[in-house]
Amino acid sequence: QQQVKQSPQSLIVQKGGISIINCAYENTAFDYFPWYQQFPGKGPALLIAIRPDVSEKKEGRFTISFNKSAKQFSLHIMDSQPGDSATYFCAAIPGVRRVNFGNEKLTFGTGTRLTIIP
Amino acid sequence: DTGVSQDPRHKITKRGQNVTFRCDPISEHNRLYWYRQTLGQGPEFLTYFQNEAQLEKSRLLSDRFSAERPKGSFSTLEIQRTEQGDSAMYLCASSLEMDINSPLHFGNGTRLTVT
Repeated sequence: QQQVKQSPQSLIVQKGGISIINCAYENTAFDYFPWYQQFPGKGPALLIAIRPDVSEKKEGRFTISFNKSAKQFSLHIMDSQPGDSATYFCAAIPGVRRVNFGNEKLTFGTGTRLTIIP
Repeated sequence: DTGVSQDPRHKITKRGQNVTFRCDPISEHNRLYWYRQTLGQGPEFLTYFQNEAQLEKSRLLSDRFSAERPKGSFSTLEIQRTEQGDSAMYLCASSLEMDINSPLHFGNGTRLTVT
């Protein structure tokens, strides 16, 4: 059962453009939403994360927008660069599991393959 | 910090054989996780350890799968009587309890192909 739905499956963006990836969830117990970036042959690496008490978080060119009432969140990559070409996964963790902010049992989305073209 | 190390990187085995993977977490991390990732999907949680104690196992972890972390350092994941459906990337991750900002640090995985 897919608890976190992610779209699109693949995305092609021109260099310098804005890449937008969307995720939606149904489990209202989720209360921590990280995004992971994965390059071919590598494990996922944490990119940026948000908690639902804020509607937006920005780190450099990466911004998470969060809509708690709609149970949706999205990743925006500004000024997209060829080095951003990778697969991006949204994820979620229920608060009841995060004893001491342990991060166990992440539920991942299905991933978005992002390609930035020159 | 040498990162999470997994061995082997690739494993090809015939159906019915047993395989064992090893994970060495970041040295000071006391939590260790196993995830499975199939092609075109996100990683799926399998199990996790806090020190040497296995605290949770997913329903995905059938009785053919067993994970250990005998001394609270490295971990092994064994699959007995492998099936073609076991073909996947097996990811190990570690984190530090009590660090509110500690993310999961993933290794580069072991890719298993069952023929």
